[in-house]
Amino acid sequence: EVQLVESGGGLVQPGGSLRLSCAASGFSFSTYWMNWVRQAPGKGLEWVANMNHDGSAMSYVDSVKGRFTISRDNAKNSLSLQMSSLRAEDTAVYYCLTEKGYWGQGTLVTVSS
Amino acid sequence: QAVVTQEPSLTVSPGGTVTLTCGSSTGGVTSTHCPYWFQQKPGQAPRTLIYETSNKHSWTPARFSGSLLGGKAVLTLSGAQPEDEADYYCLLCHGGTVMFGGGTKLTVL
Repeated sequence: EVQLVESGGGLVQPGGSLRLSCAASGFSFSTYWMNWVRQAPGKGLEWVANMNHDGSAMSYVDSVKGRFTISRDNAKNSLSLQMSSLRAEDTAVYYCLTEKGYWGQGTLVTVSS
Repeated sequence: QAVVTQEPSLTVSPGGTVTLTCGSSTGGVTSTHCPYWFQQKPGQAPRTLIYETSNKHSWTPARFSGSLLGGKAVLTLSGAQPEDEADYYCLLCHGGTVMFGGGTKLTVL
């Protein structure tokens, strides 16, 4: 059974940093593209970043470029999102999403003073 | 940057058929845009109904199907059930990046 478990969310002040993790199991993680997707309260889904299977290619939505870094550890079946210079508008539930469409349950990030 | 378009809202009668569409501001949608369709109910994480145009997961009800038609990706719901009332999002790939549509609120009434 495919499982994706996000962790690392919480309350952080504007300008602060946070590292999200996504632990994967039940599928061949090292062969899948992986995405981070977020959903602000009451809003739609927004793609944040993705990374190819071996970590050699990555892309970001314009609003997070230079502030967020996606990474993966295929030996540990883990995906990460390092977030810095956080803003109020980054407040959202963050999900990991695999190629072919497996979702985690999400982790809430709240940026507020 | 490309914009992905969906109908903001649709209504379908129980047992009826409805078509949701997903377009791109850059032109016609093809299989290279790897269309996905997701369903989200209030308070729940999204779940994938269709991936890469027309592929279903084991949990996808048979009444849902995905296709390409008239330059758009299409999600067809045949025989709507009350439990199908939800928000539906499409996703398109543009090169290495990904974009979601704004979502369609489907009412079964």
